[in-house]
Amino acid sequence: DTAVSQTPKYLVTQMGNDKSIKCEQNLGHDTMYWYKQDSKKFLKIMFSYNNKELIINETVPNRFSPKSPDKAHLNLHINSLELGDSAVYFCASSQDLGGRPSYEQYFGPGTRLTVT
Amino acid sequence: AQSVTQLGSHVSVSEGALVLLRCNYSSSVPPYLFWYVQYPNQGLQLLLKYTSAATLVKGINGFEAEFKKSETSFHLTKPSAHMSDAAEYFCAVTLTGANNLFFGTGTRLTVIP
Repeated sequence: DTAVSQTPKYLVTQMGNDKSIKCEQNLGHDTMYWYKQDSKKFLKIMFSYNNKELIINETVPNRFSPKSPDKAHLNLHINSLELGDSAVYFCASSQDLGGRPSYEQYFGPGTRLTVT
Repeated sequence: AQSVTQLGSHVSVSEGALVLLRCNYSSSVPPYLFWYVQYPNQGLQLLLKYTSAATLVKGINGFEAEFKKSETSFHLTKPSAHMSDAAEYFCAVTLTGANNLFFGTGTRLTVIP
């Protein structure tokens, strides 16, 4: 029944490692997103994919690379992890309406990344 | 550029009292506005949205918000707070045709028994 799911829920790793976070949505939505929520709860968009194509790429270090193998999945790979990457990462999805975004985004439960 | 400002990072109300969470927006064109709620250790859930239809928008769990262009505001209200309303609330804005949401810094609502 889960609409937007993320794995893992918690991720603890050391500086310099490479890690991936997976996201899947079973809503049939066309657009998927990655957001970062910092320690002060501030949410900022990182990437947006529509039908497997990148449409938004905010100012994010190129150590972060999203990959969308199909419309239902958007994974986030992070190379050479740094302390400042510690945050909660949220995946979200939305449905297009005749080529326009529906503006209603459904969020996953989040992945808490801790870099030590 | 569009943005939202949430006044008050922390609001406390007594159970049964009125809830008022403030959000002001900045946009050069008519915006679409949203309120999301985040319960502890969970993702965000849409409470309500304004997309240029009725200015008074009713959402889930008894919440509503009114779009006031003259005041560039979209404040969230609920007549009577319940303990289960304790959470973090985020106001967000986007523009017609855009995909990404711009979030405010959030307001933590505490409900006192």
